[in-house]
Amino acid sequence: EVQLVESGGGLVQPGGSLRLSCSVSRSIFNNYALHWLRQAPGKGLEYVSAISSNGGSRHYAASVKGRFTISRDNSKNEVSLQMTSLRVEDTAVYYCAKYLGGNSLDAFDVWGQGTMVTVSS
Amino acid sequence: DVQMTQSPSTLSASVGDRVTITCRASQSVNNWVAWYQQKPGKVPKLLIYETSTLQSGVPSRFSGSGSGTEFTLTISSLQPDDFATYFCQQYNVYSPTFGPGTKVEIK
Repeated sequence: EVQLVESGGGLVQPGGSLRLSCSVSRSIFNNYALHWLRQAPGKGLEYVSAISSNGGSRHYAASVKGRFTISRDNSKNEVSLQMTSLRVEDTAVYYCAKYLGGNSLDAFDVWGQGTMVTVSS
Repeated sequence: DVQMTQSPSTLSASVGDRVTITCRASQSVNNWVAWYQQKPGKVPKLLIYETSTLQSGVPSRFSGSGSGTEFTLTISSLQPDDFATYFCQQYNVYSPTFGPGTKVEIK
């Protein structure tokens, strides 16, 4: 079964750091680009970051570029999002997701359950 | 980024109604549009991709159409399970962007 399971969310002060992880089922880890998206409370969906299946290509939304880093650990079938210099406006549910296809731009067909990040003093 | 807008933002309808939601892009996105359904506290669910292709397992009462900059999601006969928020998404160019959502409420 294709599964994505996020962890690592929590409460952090402005300016702080947090690392999110997404455990990915083996059947998809090596074949699909993996993504982070977020949804602020009561708001819409925002694309955050992506990493290609071989880790050679990474993409960041302008709102997080320079502050967030995406990576993947092949030994653990895991993709991570290291978040630094966090701001109140980064407060959101963070989802891990995969494309319907492989690495090309596509719709998102599988989503994790999400992990909540709250940035507040 | 390509801006996506949706109308209406809220829609009140009854079971059995035909419902249409419109999504507009700030520039042409060809046919690279998807639609998602999200219920409160739940994960978005892919309904339609490439403008009109139904995702596996999605009921045939859902359909999509459009091209270029204007797209529609239609529910032919609204069912109790369909009361939710619907988002469109373009994936023609990076970064993928989403519309603000349309909430379908019980009339």
